[in-house]
Amino acid sequence: AQSVTQPDIHITVSEGASLELRCNYSYGATPYLFWYVQSPGQGLQLLLKYFSGDTLVQGIKGFEAEFKRSQSSFNLRKPSVHWSDAAEYFCAVGASNQFYFGTGTSLTVIP
Amino acid sequence: EAQVTQNPRYLITVTGKKLTVTCSQNMNHEYMSWYRQDPGLGLRQIYYSMNVEVTDKGDVPEGYKVSRKEKRNFPLILESPSPNQTSLYFCASGDRGSNQPQHFGDGTRLSIL
Repeated sequence: AQSVTQPDIHITVSEGASLELRCNYSYGATPYLFWYVQSPGQGLQLLLKYFSGDTLVQGIKGFEAEFKRSQSSFNLRKPSVHWSDAAEYFCAVGASNQFYFGTGTSLTVIP
Repeated sequence: EAQVTQNPRYLITVTGKKLTVTCSQNMNHEYMSWYRQDPGLGLRQIYYSMNVEVTDKGDVPEGYKVSRKEKRNFPLILESPSPNQTSLYFCASGDRGSNQPQHFGDGTRLSIL
């Protein structure tokens, strides 16, 4: 069965520092990969997606993610975090017409 | 404006009283889906629909029903709600299947007493 693991439940970073959120997936083939962000009281917003091709993908709000097939990972990065980035982040896999989400990583940004 | 609209946003009800959460999208998407979000569990897919009159179970379908009579609407039905269905529910839509990103509604918080 497909699964998505986000090993970090909560991360705290200082404003201006770099950020990396980890995501590992379990799937036989190369799945479709997504990162979403959820602000309090809101639905999920797509940050970026990977289907094929260049393994480094750029998204909105200055985020990027790198697909590493050998590690079954799709980690999200941002070089300099802003206070408005505080939110919950979800990694998701699309496979066989279904979607599988990780348990999320909550990001706190310290001024 | 492209959007997925869920109603109600909040509902407190009692065990066994049938309820329906409506979902409507204005993007002409073929794919629609329902999720529940619980602390520590992330989002889990309840049901999805590839097109009108085509629905399939997700990972946690027990206790839920759906229908897709029109392309834009995908209601979630709880025939006999129980306290373990207390959760935050999201409807989402996308262009086709799992190879496309989804657009999410703002969520419906259900409390079953």
